[in-house]
Amino acid sequence: EAGVVQSPRYKIIEKKQPVAFWCNPISGHNTLYWYRQNLGQGPELLIRYENEEAVDDSQLPKDRFSAERLKGVDSTLKIQPAELGDSAVYLCASSPRGGPTEAFFGQGTRLTVV
Amino acid sequence: AQKITQTQPGMFVQEKEAVTLDCTYDTSDQSYGLFWYKQPSSGEMIFLIYQGSYDEQNATEGRYSLNFQKARKSANLVISASQLGDSAMYFCAMRESPFSGTYKYIFGTGTRLKVLA
Repeated sequence: EAGVVQSPRYKIIEKKQPVAFWCNPISGHNTLYWYRQNLGQGPELLIRYENEEAVDDSQLPKDRFSAERLKGVDSTLKIQPAELGDSAVYLCASSPRGGPTEAFFGQGTRLTVV
Repeated sequence: AQKITQTQPGMFVQEKEAVTLDCTYDTSDQSYGLFWYKQPSSGEMIFLIYQGSYDEQNATEGRYSLNFQKARKSANLVISASQLGDSAMYFCAMRESPFSGTYKYIFGTGTRLKVLA
């Protein structure tokens, strides 16, 4: 079974430029998460989807960040315009709905804003 | 509000010895799940072990065991017979009650473990 797939793995952009990350969760997983992980820190939730509905986006900086999960499968996270402080690893995770289960993580996208 | 605290930024352990990584949590939910993840330098988050709040037995998975003390709100990870490949960041995480219909995970700040040969 394929795991959570993210692309790109690495991205370097200049500040004020837009950037987008893509995530394909494990097939059948209804719940999809986007996390941001700053260097030396734990992941912090940006947004959580149940199917195509964003049920928790309270930590998403909506002035520059946006996300979508069309058809409740894969998802994109966009930053426009990027700032220096956005440099971090962006992790996507998915989990099946219901029951005690762990979230499965992708390998992340390391963003560097210069 | 839910919170996970890991007070050990870094730990050293000699190869083949056991090590305990501390985790305390705060929640008002009665039903919750506790997880440990390993993050090697390559960056992926690897699930290690899970403990449900109603589980009476401590969880074990191979060399990993979770020392769950509910009254103290602690969920320490014990790694027995440490191996060089265990060197990584370790994160404790908590998932909100499934009865609320929500499944948000929150993470601690992590502990960097270094296994010495």
